[in-house]
Amino acid sequence: DVKVTQSSRYLVKRTGEKVFLECVQDMDHENMFWYRQDPGLGLRLIYFSYDVKMKEKGDIPEGYSVSREKKERFSLILESASTNQTSMYLCASSLGFGTGELFFGEGSRLTVL
Amino acid sequence: KNQVEQSPQSLIIPEGKNCTLQCNYTVSPFSNLRWYKQDTGRGPVSLTIMTFSENTKSNGRYTATLDADTKQSSLHITASQLSDSASYICVVSLNAGNMLTFGGGTRLMVKP
Repeated sequence: DVKVTQSSRYLVKRTGEKVFLECVQDMDHENMFWYRQDPGLGLRLIYFSYDVKMKEKGDIPEGYSVSREKKERFSLILESASTNQTSMYLCASSLGFGTGELFFGEGSRLTVL
Repeated sequence: KNQVEQSPQSLIIPEGKNCTLQCNYTVSPFSNLRWYKQDTGRGPVSLTIMTFSENTKSNGRYTATLDADTKQSSLHITASQLSDSASYICVVSLNAGNMLTFGGGTRLMVKP
């Protein structure tokens, strides 16, 4: 069974803290993605990566950075968390672009106080 | 601008009834359209994929249709069950590159 694992289901952080969200996939997929999901706004792409050490900005990259040092691991970093980054964060991976099915993790619900 | 609009935003139906969810898109050039089901507190899971040449595809009690001319898709759920309560997200893929456009989702609640 394919699996995308996100390290934390629930996090509570304070404004200004650095936050790391980790994602690991066991399907040998080239492509990995970070989305945030907010009520009424749907899923919005933050960053994606199509290869180790490669990254591309999505629709809303401001305030975020990513790291992909190994094929199976894609990390989302909030350098200085702000309250407007309170959200559900979803990691996904896919084998191919476009036609490839996205496999999502369970999500990480981040609250910034 | 590439857009995907889903309707209704939310829906409540009694258990055992059928329902139809709509997805209209303006994405071009079109490659394919996927329907995902997202249970509360979980990540979305793909239900079905529709390509340009496909009109209808079934997955158990779920039947997706696609009209590429009018740029509309629907997801029909037959004999709804409590476990169908979830958000259903329509995702359209461009025919080039890595562009996916997500709909806002329809939140379905099936009541006993």
